[in-house]
Amino acid sequence: KQEVTQIPAALSVPEGENLVLNCSFTDSAIYNLQWFRQDPGKGLTSLLLIQSSQREQTSGRLNASLDKSSGRSTLYIAASQPGDSATYLCAVMRNSGNTPLVFGKGTRLSVIA
Amino acid sequence: KAGVTQTPRYLIKTRGQQVTLSCSPISGHRSVSWYQQTPGQGLQFLFEYFSETQRNKGNFPGRFSGRQFSNSRSEMNVSTLELGDSALYLCASSPGGTASEQYFGPGTRLTVT
Repeated sequence: KQEVTQIPAALSVPEGENLVLNCSFTDSAIYNLQWFRQDPGKGLTSLLLIQSSQREQTSGRLNASLDKSSGRSTLYIAASQPGDSATYLCAVMRNSGNTPLVFGKGTRLSVIA
Repeated sequence: KAGVTQTPRYLIKTRGQQVTLSCSPISGHRSVSWYQQTPGQGLQFLFEYFSETQRNKGNFPGRFSGRQFSNSRSEMNVSTLELGDSALYLCASSPGGTASEQYFGPGTRLTVT
């Protein structure tokens, strides 16, 4: 059974700092991994999707890497801003594709001005 | 292109009642998935519909059911509500091809009293 873990559960950093969020999964047979952002009481916004054949994806100040063999992904946020404050969730899809996403419980990020 | 819409956004029901939630996917998307989010369990998969057929099902009791219409709009129904059903219910749409990226709606906040 696939399990996804995100550590730490919460993180507080000063504005301008570069930071890394971690995601680990127990079964390396994944089809893709997706990072989401969730603001309090709101839905999920997709940030980056990494296919299993890829090593990383970049969008603006965000960079996500994937090491399938070790069951790890990281989300790097450069030059953090107060507007980045949110909960970040990672989710994996099983190797067979068209299967439900399995989510971690998220990292709650606070960027202090 | 309009995003995923969910109605209603907020709902308060009494134990024992039933409730129906609605989700309209992004135009052209044929797959709709439903997730339940609670503080304790995080995001858990309920079911997925593709072209009016249930393609995947999570580990929830039979009180939770869903359907999809020919225009890809989906509804989920919860009968005999329990206090533990209080949660944010999120729906996600995707084009439906192999392992497509999923796009989430804003969610319906259900409170059972």
